[in-house]
Amino acid sequence: NAGVTQTPKFQVLKTGQSMTLQCAQDMNHNSMYWYRQDPGMGLRLIYYSASEGTTDKGEVPNGYNVSRLNKREFSLRLESAAPSQTSVYFCASSEMTGLPTDTQYFGPGTRLTVL
Amino acid sequence: RKEVEQDPGPFNVPEGATVAFNCTYSNSASQSFFWYRQDCRKEPKLLMSVYSSGNEDGRFTAQLNRASQYISLLIRDSKLSDSATYLCVFPSGTDSWGKLQFGAGTQVVVTP
Repeated sequence: NAGVTQTPKFQVLKTGQSMTLQCAQDMNHNSMYWYRQDPGMGLRLIYYSASEGTTDKGEVPNGYNVSRLNKREFSLRLESAAPSQTSVYFCASSEMTGLPTDTQYFGPGTRLTVL
Repeated sequence: RKEVEQDPGPFNVPEGATVAFNCTYSNSASQSFFWYRQDCRKEPKLLMSVYSSGNEDGRFTAQLNRASQYISLLIRDSKLSDSATYLCVFPSGTDSWGKLQFGAGTQVVVTP
C-alpha cells in the first residue's frame, strides 16, 4: 500500500497563476483533508471532505477550492496564486469512525512557492 | 489564548537522557489527544494516542492533566533518532467527523 500520495512534490508559481494539487489514498478511508503548514504555526485546515461527495471549509479556505473526485482522490486548486499561499501543503486521510481512535495519515507534502 | 500551545524549543538532550515537555490546551471538554512526530521536511506521523489519563509505549509516556489542562510527553533513554518536532493534537470539532487541532510543535535535538 502506498498510503497517501501527493503530486507534485515541489512547485514554483508566479502570482496570478493557477494550479491543482493532487492527492490520492489507497486505504479506503472515508475522510480526506488539506492542510497548510507555515513556519512557527501548527497545521491549519484548509478544506475537508468527511465522505465522498461532500466538502466543507476549514480554518483558512480563502483562495482555494477542492474537489472530491471519488473516494480515493481529493484535489486542491489555487485559482490565482498569491505570495501568501507560499507554504507546505499536506493531504491527509482518516477512516472516520467517529471514535476518538480516528487517526489521520499524511501524504509527503507539496512545497509551493509563489513569486 | 490559542487552542493548543507548545514550547517551540529546541530541547537539546544528550543521548541516553530523559526529556519531557508540555502542551496546553483550551478546550476543557477534550477527552482524547494525540502526539504526532514530524521529521525535518517530512510529513507528520502518529506517535501515540491517549484516551484517558495517559499512555505508555516503550520509552515514550504521555500524560493528561485535566485540572491544569495540559498534556506532557516524556522520552526516556533518548536516541539520536528521536530528534524531531513533536506535535500535540486534539480533536477540535463537536461533531463526529474527526477534525483535529494541531500545536506548532516542540523541537527535540538529541546529541551524541
